[in-house]
Amino acid sequence: DIVMTQSPDSLAVSLGERATINCKSSRSVLYSFNNKNSLAWYQQKPGQPPRLLIYWASTRESGVPDRFSGNGSTTDFTLTISSLQAEDVAVYYCQQHYGTPRTFGQGTKVEIK
Amino acid sequence: QVRLVQSGAEVKKPGASVNVSCKPSGYTFTRYYIHWVRQAPGQGLEWLGIINPSSGATNDAREFRGRFTMTTDTSTSTVYMELSSLRSDDTAVYYCVRDGEITGLGWFDTWGQGTLVTVSS
Repeated sequence: DIVMTQSPDSLAVSLGERATINCKSSRSVLYSFNNKNSLAWYQQKPGQPPRLLIYWASTRESGVPDRFSGNGSTTDFTLTISSLQAEDVAVYYCQQHYGTPRTFGQGTKVEIK
Repeated sequence: QVRLVQSGAEVKKPGASVNVSCKPSGYTFTRYYIHWVRQAPGQGLEWLGIINPSSGATNDAREFRGRFTMTTDTSTSTVYMELSSLRSDDTAVYYCVRDGEITGLGWFDTWGQGTLVTVSS
């Protein structure tokens, strides 16, 4: 199974500042068929199901604000919130969609400093 | 608008089984795979399995093999999961989720509202 490890477990950022979350996979999730990385990011607020933010490591889902961006390749990925807003307080998860079993990172809690 | 509507909360005793339904709408039911994911209270996300609604073919996580079943009813466009031999650590919110790619190798683009399953004696 591909193990996904996020860092940090939590971070506190001032409003308007940048937040960066890291995600590392135990092996490559580069899909040779299209040369894209099979990595997705989700946001989960309390009492709600997760919401898709990013897939193929850097493709923003429709309706997701452009302050959210994804980068990285092969085994190392980042989610960046360029200017943190109050509504971005949530837990963020990375997930590999390279194959089964699908696996998630343990989550990163983002709070306001 | 794509939606996945799940059945309501359940309370079960240890050793019992639970069934949860998931009814997608807003797209052609047989075109996209459905996954099941669960989340224990205060914990992260755990993948349970995937089903092809067209063929009924399934693939589930090793740790649930033997007590986790997924089925599909194309006449009512509904997907079902059953978890048997319930234990207290099966207490969780169970989500059905649509795969974003028709190949079944995609991200999770639409989530059901979740079904809380509580296992308690």
